[in-house]
Order: sequence, then structure tokens, then C-alpha cells
Amino acid sequence: QQKVQQSPESLSVPEGGMASLNCTSSDRNFQYFWWYRQHSGEGPKALMSIFSDGDKKEGRFTAHLNKASLHVSLHIRDSQPSDSALYFCAASGPGGSNAKLTFGKGTKLSVKS
Amino acid sequence: DPKIIQKPKYLVAVTGSEKILICEQYLGHNAMYWYRQSAKKPLEFMFSYSYQKLMDNQTASSRFQPQSSKKNHLDLQITALKPDDSATYFCASSQDRTYEQYFGPGTRLTVL
Repeated sequence: QQKVQQSPESLSVPEGGMASLNCTSSDRNFQYFWWYRQHSGEGPKALMSIFSDGDKKEGRFTAHLNKASLHVSLHIRDSQPSDSALYFCAASGPGGSNAKLTFGKGTKLSVKS
Repeated sequence: DPKIIQKPKYLVAVTGSEKILICEQYLGHNAMYWYRQSAKKPLEFMFSYSYQKLMDNQTASSRFQPQSSKKNHLDLQITALKPDDSATYFCASSQDRTYEQYFGPGTRLTVL
């Protein structure tokens, strides 16, 4: 079973709309969560990390973590066509083991102008 | 200027051959990694190095051998190539093992 599961697989939102992406982990050893974004033909790039329960906001991006349910979400407000990409949730464990990122399969976001 | 260089960008190999994927980072980072991304599997952790020492190996096959000749280099040697090895291989680096990982542009390997 995939240790990090993402939904939906794909998502289409209008320009200026809100995109909501979800991620759930089945491994309670995971304590750190990351959101990465990958544009076609490029390597993944970290958007933000979240380690504590609650919300974390960076510009148009807000991540939410619920450690009890191991659920993390990413919300993108005022979506732009340049936000169209593959979004990955990644998780890692405590201490030195947090170098090993476990990725989900990704959510493909399309922002239509 | 690109901070993580991977060479070559594309690579075609025949089954049974050997290839070396090159990675150099100019971010001054102490930790480096290899990941693999294929159509069948999500981004998959392979190796991590810290100060040129192997820290984690999550690759079952000994056909994959990382090589660190300099602090900012981490190459990946793959021997006895199989069609299943076809994937994009990403090198990444971070300040140390607890920080954000920066990914290179990848080397797309096709094994015929």
C-alpha cells in the first residue's frame, strides 16, 4: 500500500479560483510533511513544509496539517495558469531519517484562463 | 545559473550496458540524494549522502552504485541495465539532512 496517498489525481480550476489538494499518510512515523511542485520537464521544487498541527500560510498557498489523522492539505487561492503543474505531497520521519522523503503519486493541477 | 547540474539530460542505453549519471551542486550543501521517477511509480528515494558518506540506501539492487569524488558531486553508476531501469533520475541536495531538498533537472534514461 502506498504510504502517502494523494487526492484527487487531477484537478481543473478556473483562473482566480481556489484549488484544494489532499494528502493522507498511513505511517505514524512520518512527522514532517512537504509540498513540492513539478512543472513539465523540470525537477520538483519545494513549495512549503509543515511540521505542526494547524495552518501555515505563504502568499497564496496555505497548508493544513492534522497530525492525529495524518492528513495534510494544500490550498491555492487566486490560482494562476502558471500554477498548472504536478503537485506532490512528501513525508519524512524524525531525526536523521527525515532525509528520506516518501512521495505520493501527485495531483495534476490545470488552471484554465 | 543552474545550481544543480545533471548530465546528460537524455540518455539511451542498451540492455546489459553500464552508464554513469553525473550530478554537481553549487549550493554549498552537505547532503546529496538520488531519486527515481517513472511512469509506474511515484518519486522514489534511492540514496542519501552526508559529507560524502552513504547514510541511507533504499535501493535493493547492487547494480546501482553512487560515487562521491568531491563534496559537491554525487554520481550514479548503473550496471547491467534493464528496460525496467528506464526512468528520470533526479539528484537533490540540502544544507544538511533536516532541511529542504533542492532537485536538479533530471536525467531521462531509456533502456532498449
